[in-house]
Amino acid sequence: QKEVEQNSGPLSVPEGAIASLNCTYSDRGSQSFFWYRQYSGKSPELIMFIYSNGDKEDGRFTAQLNKASQYVSLLIRDSQPSDSATYLCAVRSSGYNKLIFGAGTRLAVHP
Amino acid sequence: SQTIHQWPATLVQPVGSPLSLECTVEGTSNPNLYWYRQAAGRGLQLLFYSVGIGQISSEVPQNLSASRPQDRQFILSSKKLLLSDSGFYLCAWGRDRPYGYTFGSGTRLTVV
Repeated sequence: QKEVEQNSGPLSVPEGAIASLNCTYSDRGSQSFFWYRQYSGKSPELIMFIYSNGDKEDGRFTAQLNKASQYVSLLIRDSQPSDSATYLCAVRSSGYNKLIFGAGTRLAVHP
Repeated sequence: SQTIHQWPATLVQPVGSPLSLECTVEGTSNPNLYWYRQAAGRGLQLLFYSVGIGQISSEVPQNLSASRPQDRQFILSSKKLLLSDSGFYLCAWGRDRPYGYTFGSGTRLTVV
């Protein structure tokens, strides 16, 4: 069973700080990695994807991938209260075109 | 641009009643389509996916079924709902690798 693990949180950070969200996956054949943001009662929205080792930056967001360690993370710089949401990590494994989601980490940014 | 429509937004149904949730996609052809369920406080569980008309793959044994009668239409059904069918149902469409999925707005189903 292919798995994606995330700490459920809540992760509480002060406004302006860096929030660090982590995700591990079990399938070494995984090829693409995604971070979704889900506000309470809403559907998930894609904020970043990464498929090469290293860092990928988009505005205040940086995704980091380490395939050797089977680890992907999301950094949110200058965190804002509007970033408070659940962040879902998703992994697409080799051989089939389906995303496997982690249970999500709840982030709370307090003023 | 592509858009995905899902309805209804909320639904309260008695145990044993039937269910039909519909999802349609605009702005793309032959999309891969997915049904996910999210139980309260839980992650997303893949229920069904479809790569084309009439092609349905089921991920988990359950009380639900799916159909794809048209290229951009995906339907989730049940003949008799159970309490355990309550949850947030999400339809999604996906592009080829390496891109992710785009979700519809979801249907919150409460079985009473």
